[in-house]
Amino acid sequence: EADIYQTPRYLVIGTGKKITLECSQTMGHDKMYWYQQDPGMELHLIHYSYGVNSTEKGDLSSESTVSRIRTEHFPLTLESARPSHTSQYLCASSAAGDYGYTFGSGTRLTVV
Amino acid sequence: QQPVQSPQAVILREGEDAVINCSSSKALYSVHWYRQKHGEAPVFLMILLKGGEQKGHEKISASFNEKKQQSSLYLTASQLSYSGTYFCGTEMGGNNRLAFGKGNQVVVIP
Repeated sequence: EADIYQTPRYLVIGTGKKITLECSQTMGHDKMYWYQQDPGMELHLIHYSYGVNSTEKGDLSSESTVSRIRTEHFPLTLESARPSHTSQYLCASSAAGDYGYTFGSGTRLTVV
Repeated sequence: QQPVQSPQAVILREGEDAVINCSSSKALYSVHWYRQKHGEAPVFLMILLKGGEQKGHEKISASFNEKKQQSSLYLTASQLSYSGTYFCGTEMGGNNRLAFGKGNQVVVIP
């Protein structure tokens, strides 16, 4: 079944550690996105990609980086985690044209 | 720019109707609606395009007033499963990048 997968589901990590949040989709979608969502709040776009080797920063300033080497894979990396990075990170993808997003289940990150 | 959603919260009994709204100060290409249940990912409900075309796969209707840059989502004969937070995502320029509002929390009680 076509889907979008995020790992890990939950992560507690110490300040200063490097982490990579994984996101993979099996739908062949060209467009992929990373959103940050604090509890009870709106989603903020932090990165997006329109295809392989294409990545752009979103509307919310973020210290994270992304890569898109394969269509199906869009990982997000934090080189040095800080408590201010504590949040939920949602990955999404969409087909070309006017279609909705499919979201992954998210990674809830806590930096202590 | 983030759209504004109203009302912030709605409580209704099973079978009742409700309308939730989303407005933007910018000219929009499309409006998306998603529902998120607690602890889960947002789920796509519907897209409304400039020009009036609608695409969706749930029995929830919506409208898009292009002149006012407003969209409304109509929850008709609500079911318990309609409970959740509804987010609208607005798109300018056809690039499929969405800005999301703060959400409308909907609680349907028996």
